[in-house]
Amino acid sequence: DARVTQTPRHKVTEMGQEVTMRCQPILGHNTVFWYRQTMMQGLELLAYFRNRAPLDDSGMPKDRFSAEMPDATLATLKIQPSEPRDSAVYFCASGSEIEAFFGQGTRLTVV
Amino acid sequence: EDQVTQSPEALRLQEGESSSLNCSYTVSGLRGLFWYRQDPGKGPEFLFTLYSAGEEKEKERLKATLTKKESFLHITAPKPEDSATYLCAVQGSNTGGFKTIFGAGTRLFVKA
Repeated sequence: DARVTQTPRHKVTEMGQEVTMRCQPILGHNTVFWYRQTMMQGLELLAYFRNRAPLDDSGMPKDRFSAEMPDATLATLKIQPSEPRDSAVYFCASGSEIEAFFGQGTRLTVV
Repeated sequence: EDQVTQSPEALRLQEGESSSLNCSYTVSGLRGLFWYRQDPGKGPEFLFTLYSAGEEKEKERLKATLTKKESFLHITAPKPEDSATYLCAVQGSNTGGFKTIFGAGTRLFVKA
């Protein structure tokens, strides 16, 4: 049963700490997305990769967020330093032009 | 600027009461319009992709249609398990690549 796997599922951290979220895309998918979902803003695209190369990260605050794909089986999203306004659910998705499959998300709370 | 507006924000139906959800969009050069279903605490689940006006796709009790300005998700004889938030999203050619803009969603409640 192919699925996108995200870890951790929940993260509570103090303001100023570094947060790393990980994603294992579905094997064979060459496009990986990072989204953030909040009640106020809904789903927002932060960044996406194709064949591990970053294509667009214009949705990310550049000074504190970074996204990478060290290899085809791992995508990471880092926040350093974290702030309370970063509290949200972060989703990773993988797929193609036709459809995207989402992970279960990482619920981040910054206190 | 690409934009997606979904209505209504919430919809309450009795089991078996058919209805439609609306997705109005503004995009330069539609590459694709997507419908997703999202259950509480879970990631969105892909339902359909529509590419051009006049296109229709069906899956069980759901049918998605597309015009040049909007898309409808028709739900026929819904069941309580159809309760979820339904999200509409678009990709436009002016943004390039796979940048996808999501609407705020319609929360559907189906009562037995």
